[in-house]
Amino acid sequence: QQPVQSPQAVILREGEDAVINCSSSKALYSVHWYRQKHGEAPVFLMILLKGGEQKGHEKISASFNEKKQQSSLYLTASQLSYSGTYFCGTELSNDYKLSFGAGTTVTVRA
Amino acid sequence: DTGVSQDPRHKITKRGQNVTFRCDPISEHNRLYWYRQTLGQGPEFLTYFQNEAQLEKSRLLSDRFSAERPKGSFSTLEIQRTEQGDSAMYLCASSASPTGNLYGYTFGSGTRLTVV
Repeated sequence: QQPVQSPQAVILREGEDAVINCSSSKALYSVHWYRQKHGEAPVFLMILLKGGEQKGHEKISASFNEKKQQSSLYLTASQLSYSGTYFCGTELSNDYKLSFGAGTTVTVRA
Repeated sequence: DTGVSQDPRHKITKRGQNVTFRCDPISEHNRLYWYRQTLGQGPEFLTYFQNEAQLEKSRLLSDRFSAERPKGSFSTLEIQRTEQGDSAMYLCASSASPTGNLYGYTFGSGTRLTVV
């Protein structure tokens, strides 16, 4: 079942922060985060496992709340290069098969 | 390794024709996935393989769609009797075995299908 992402879109100025949320109605084994730039393939950012720690990738980090079946992606001190569409992919049962959300489009302006 | 390769990049076909797409995964990866993506949406799961075995096929996938991965290397996705609703980007991804895998999927650049 597809996870739900919010917000659908966000516009930032360079240096601002943003949070993207991903929620599931079912218990999750892991959450992946990907970024897709226009006309390109999605690129893996990070994976959060059940029982795992908060992860980070430069100034992009994420958390996973197992009780709420939610994950959040944090964009800190955003840069122009952070623009793109961010997708969460959720895994239900350690089969490494992902269902993706509809995406959150992030636009960072100078 | 040059990543995941998909061919062709673009395909325009007339309604009712059959089309076949190819995906060459990263050679060390034994998992291969097919997804479909339409404008403004996330990738939608179609099917996936572990080596040459097809593990699951989406219930949303009609019997006009078939995928193979002979010898556990490249994969093909065939759509028979194409319909306009089949127009989309078809993405292939590969990954290493799930156990302890912290590296996610590697996606190809996709094949954009337009059915006219």
